[in-house]
Amino acid sequence: DAKTTQPPSMDCAEGRAANLPCNHSTISGNEYVYWYRQIHSQGPQYIIHGLKNNETNEMASLIITEDRKSSTLILPHATLRDTAVYYCIVRVAYSGAGSYQLTFGKGTKLSVIP
Amino acid sequence: EPEVTQTPSHQVTQMGQEVILRCVPISNHLYFYWYRQILGQKVEFLVSFYNNEISEKSEIFDDQFSVERPDGSNFTLKIRSTKLEDSAMYFCASSEPQHRATLNTIYFGEGSWLTVV
Repeated sequence: DAKTTQPPSMDCAEGRAANLPCNHSTISGNEYVYWYRQIHSQGPQYIIHGLKNNETNEMASLIITEDRKSSTLILPHATLRDTAVYYCIVRVAYSGAGSYQLTFGKGTKLSVIP
Repeated sequence: EPEVTQTPSHQVTQMGQEVILRCVPISNHLYFYWYRQILGQKVEFLVSFYNNEISEKSEIFDDQFSVERPDGSNFTLKIRSTKLEDSAMYFCASSEPQHRATLNTIYFGEGSWLTVV
């Protein structure tokens, strides 16, 4: 089962920042927080990941609380094309041999409104 | 940008028939995966593959499923005798070689939609 909790849906006005929260209160010290999104049944698309520091790339920013029990994905200027289901996933960094597969939850359906 | 490609994009098959779904992973990747998503449900892990053998598999990946890397570029999922409940979108994915204390991102293809009738 997924180790994260996300709101089932959110709305965001086009051009505004979208802030998607995620709770992962049982995260372990060797687990990363990953974010993917899925646009209308397309393949999941990688967005960003982090361990404990805040991260930023061309798509988004990831803010992780100091206790690592929650995080927020920020899309700085949401567009209609950002309408998708966003998945927050906790993934072990290293546990010996293995492939560190992803466990998807139900995610947050983000609707960007014109 | 390198991407995972999958064929076919959509296949309709009769119950009991064999189906092979094909994937070309990103060229320098050595870990390969299959996931599936039944309509309206979560994305579910099926199997991972490394060094010509299965690394992990889920309970879903039973004896009717098999994976193979027949050559240096393709990665296939075979369903031997399809059932109605196998109707789903199947996603192939790949990642770079794993190194100790690092974590490599998994990249997904666009999926193959399988309809069993």
